Amino acid sequence: DGGITQSPKYLFRKEGQNVTLSCEQNLNHDAMYWYRQDPGQGLRLIYYSQIVNDFQKGDIAEGYSVSREKKESFPLTVTSAQKNPTAFYLCASSSQREGRTGYNEQFFGPGTRLTVL
Amino acid sequence: AQSVTQLGSHVSVSEGALVLLRCNYSSSVPPYLFWYVQYPNQGLQLLLKYTTGATLVKGINGFEAEFKKSETSFHLTKPSAHMSDAAEYFCAVSVRRGTSYGKLTFGQGTILTVHP
Repeated sequence: DGGITQSPKYLFRKEGQNVTLSCEQNLNHDAMYWYRQDPGQGLRLIYYSQIVNDFQKGDIAEGYSVSREKKESFPLTVTSAQKNPTAFYLCASSSQREGRTGYNEQFFGPGTRLTVL
Repeated sequence: AQSVTQLGSHVSVSEGALVLLRCNYSSSVPPYLFWYVQYPNQGLQLLLKYTTGATLVKGINGFEAEFKKSETSFHLTKPSAHMSDAAEYFCAVSVRRGTSYGKLTFGQGTILTVHP
């Protein structure tokens, strides 16, 4: 079955540590996205990538970094510069090609809950 | 730039009653509109979407929404609530062209509670 996987489901980090969240998709989608979710604030876009080896900052990119070396993978690193990283992180993907499944809609992974100790 | 406002962070209904979740959007170009549902500690699942054509859109689980351009609204309804509808619902907008193409802007979410 095609879909998006995120790992780990739960992640604990000590202050001052960098951590990397994994996101993989086998939907052959061109675009991938990272969101942060906090209670009562909806989803906020961290980074997005519309093509391999290219990505753009979203609304809250400070303290985060990404890479897009493969079409299927879009890992997110939460750095020590992120002052309040405890949140639920969601990865999504979509097709930018008209006629393809998922055109103009985003498919979401199950999420990673990050807690800073 | 586009934005979404969901009226009411919490909505409570009785089982069998009408569900109405309100969403108003702002967009300088023709929008695409979406409703997603999220169960606790899970990702988002698409309920329905409006792109072009018919303004009344039917989705999964008996939900539907109507795009009203004059009111800049995209309210979500279901004639009869079921206990399994209890979840958080998000309205989202994206645009058809320009540098923001493909990016979703979400509302703050509405938590739906269904009472027996």
